[in-house]
Amino acid sequence: DTGVSQDPRHKITKRGQNVTFRCDPISEHNRLYWYRQTLGQGPEFLTYFQNEAQLEKSRLLSDRFSAERPKGSFSTLEIQRTEQGDSAMYLCASSPRVDTQYFGPGTRLTVL
Amino acid sequence: AQSVAQPEDQVNVAEGNPLTVKCTYSVSGNPYLFWYVQYPNRGLQFLLKYITGDNLVKGSYGFEAEFNKSQTSFHLKKPSALVSDSALYFCAVRPPGDNFNKFYFGSGTKLNVKP
Repeated sequence: DTGVSQDPRHKITKRGQNVTFRCDPISEHNRLYWYRQTLGQGPEFLTYFQNEAQLEKSRLLSDRFSAERPKGSFSTLEIQRTEQGDSAMYLCASSPRVDTQYFGPGTRLTVL
Repeated sequence: AQSVAQPEDQVNVAEGNPLTVKCTYSVSGNPYLFWYVQYPNRGLQFLLKYITGDNLVKGSYGFEAEFNKSQTSFHLKKPSALVSDSALYFCAVRPPGDNFNKFYFGSGTKLNVKP
């Protein structure tokens, strides 16, 4: 399967803990995006990488959130000191150019 | 501000009947427009896109969409619905000149196709 993959698919954590999610984009795609989707809503943009450079971050990405894309391949999204309001589906997408984005299956985070 | 509206939370159709899922957008200029489908606990699957050219675009699984610049709409259509089309549908817009290719999504429309 050469699609976008995300790990883990589900994460349950206690409030205050740190969590890290991984995204592996389609191999030839140099652009990578993170979105957050809450129940009943469409995905909301969080951040964007072109190769290893993080070029844009949404105001939704508070100081507790950090994302990296070392070497321009896979990406990680870390949430520190999780809060119940962080519970959501975190989606990763990649694209080869300024065009269609291809999404992974998502990581569903539940903060207790 | 960029925005996408999907005015119907839910659309119910009988199998075999035509379906329409509505989308309007508020973006200056000529945006790129997309439709995605989401099945339960899954990511979004690309259906079709409008970049330029013919206002009627065809996509996966027999879906098509019509771009109407004067009405700033991009409605999703299918001539004959299948029960397996039941899912959550999202319209997305990429504003013109956005080098970051940032998408803005609507809130989604749940399509229910009944046998």
